[in-house]
Amino acid sequence: DAGVIQSPRHEVTEMGQEVTLRCKPISGHDYLFWYRQTMMRGLELLIYFNNNVPIDDSGMPEDRFSAKMPNASFSTLKIQPSEPRDSAVYFCASSLRIGSGYTFGSGTRLTVV
Amino acid sequence: GENVEQHPSTLSVQEGDSAVIKCTYSDSASNYFPWYKQELGKRPQLIIDIRSNVGEKKDQRIAVTLNKTAKHFSLHITETQPEDSAVYFCAASNALDFGNEKLTFGTGTRLTIIP
Repeated sequence: DAGVIQSPRHEVTEMGQEVTLRCKPISGHDYLFWYRQTMMRGLELLIYFNNNVPIDDSGMPEDRFSAKMPNASFSTLKIQPSEPRDSAVYFCASSLRIGSGYTFGSGTRLTVV
Repeated sequence: GENVEQHPSTLSVQEGDSAVIKCTYSDSASNYFPWYKQELGKRPQLIIDIRSNVGEKKDQRIAVTLNKTAKHFSLHITETQPEDSAVYFCAASNALDFGNEKLTFGTGTRLTIIP
C-alpha cells in the first residue's frame, strides 16, 4: 500500500485565493482525519470522518474552512478565502478503526502571502 | 473534552543514556495512548501504543508505562542513538466512545541526542 497520499506537497497562494488540499486514505481505513500543525498551536484536529460521514468538525477554525469526503478513497479540505494566518502544515491521517493508531500522509505545507 | 499535557518540551541527553518523556491526561475514560515520532520535515509516525488494560509495553529500546490511577503515561527510550533525535508526541483517546474517539495530542517534546 502506498500509504496516505496528500497533494500538493507545497502550496503558495495569495491572500484571498481559494486553496484545495487533497487526501487519499489507505484502502479499507474507516476513519479519516485532517490536522493542522503550527509551531504555536501544535497538532490541531480540524475534522474527522467515519465511513465518509463527518463526525466532529468542532476544530474547523471558521466558515472559511470546509471539508468533504465524497467517497471512501478521497477527501478535500478547502479554504476560501485564504489568509496569511492559515499558513501551516496540513496533515491528513487515516485509521483502520479507532484504537489502532493513525497513519499520516506527508502533509501539505501551505503558505499564504 | 480531553486535555493532554506533555513534559518536558525539550530534552537533551548524551548518546547511550536513557530519555523519559511524561504525559498526563484529564479524561479518566481515555483508554488508548499512542506515541508518535516526527523527524524534521517529515510526517508523525506511530512508534508504540498502549491500552488501558496494560500497565507496560516494550518494543526493543522503547517502552511505555501507564498509571491509570494517576492518569499519566510515559515513554522511555534506552541506549539512545543519534537517530532518536526528533519531536515526540503523546496522545490519548477513548476508543470505545463513538464521536469522542479522536486523538488529543500533547504539545510535543524535542529530543536531541548529543554524540
